[in-house]
Amino acid sequence: DIVMTQSPLSLPVTPGEPAYISCRSSQSLLHSNGYIYLDWYLQKPGQSPQILIYLGSNRASGVPDRFSGSGSGTDFTLKISKVEAEDVGIYYCMQALKPPLTFGGGTKVEIK
Amino acid sequence: EVQIVESGGDLVQPGRSLRLSCGVSGFTFSDFALTWVRHVPGKGLEWLSTIGGTGDDTYYADAVKGRFTISRDNPKSTLYLQMNSLRAEDSGLYYCATMKRQQLVRGNYYYYMDVWGRGTTVTVSS
Repeated sequence: DIVMTQSPLSLPVTPGEPAYISCRSSQSLLHSNGYIYLDWYLQKPGQSPQILIYLGSNRASGVPDRFSGSGSGTDFTLKISKVEAEDVGIYYCMQALKPPLTFGGGTKVEIK
Repeated sequence: EVQIVESGGDLVQPGRSLRLSCGVSGFTFSDFALTWVRHVPGKGLEWLSTIGGTGDDTYYADAVKGRFTISRDNPKSTLYLQMNSLRAEDSGLYYCATMKRQQLVRGNYYYYMDVWGRGTTVTVSS
């Protein structure tokens, strides 16, 4: 199975400042078709998870452009360019290259 | 608007069975693959199973393979998860999610979990 490792575990952030979440996979998520098979999800307090980024860097419909995904091979980053109060929650990366689909352990983002 | 409602969660003893249901409305049910994911407090999200639109293709996590069965009734727009031989570690909040299909070049497709329900709670305890 592909193991997904996120860091940091907890991320206190200041509104208006950028935030970075790291995700590392135990094997490359580059598919033979040239795409990166990685998603980012956010679970806000008391809510169901929601998709933010798919294929490593594509924002899902309705996701603000302050969210961006980057990376290649086994190292990936989710960037929030200017954090807003509504961005608090737990962020998960997930590999979709091969079953079983596996999530990272999550990064809890909270406002300082 | 796509709406998802999970049901069937309950408190059950270890070794017993439970069937979860997921009712979906707002789109052509048979066009979409569907997935079950659970959230265990302190452990995060865990993918459990995915089923294709026709029901012919199914995939399972090792932790539930042989104990859980995913199925769907397209005329009823309902997804199921039959859970047998339940264990304490199966306790959690179970979500159903639609799989959005994104077309890639050369006829390939990519799927991601798009619309999620609010979940149904399963507690396995004696």
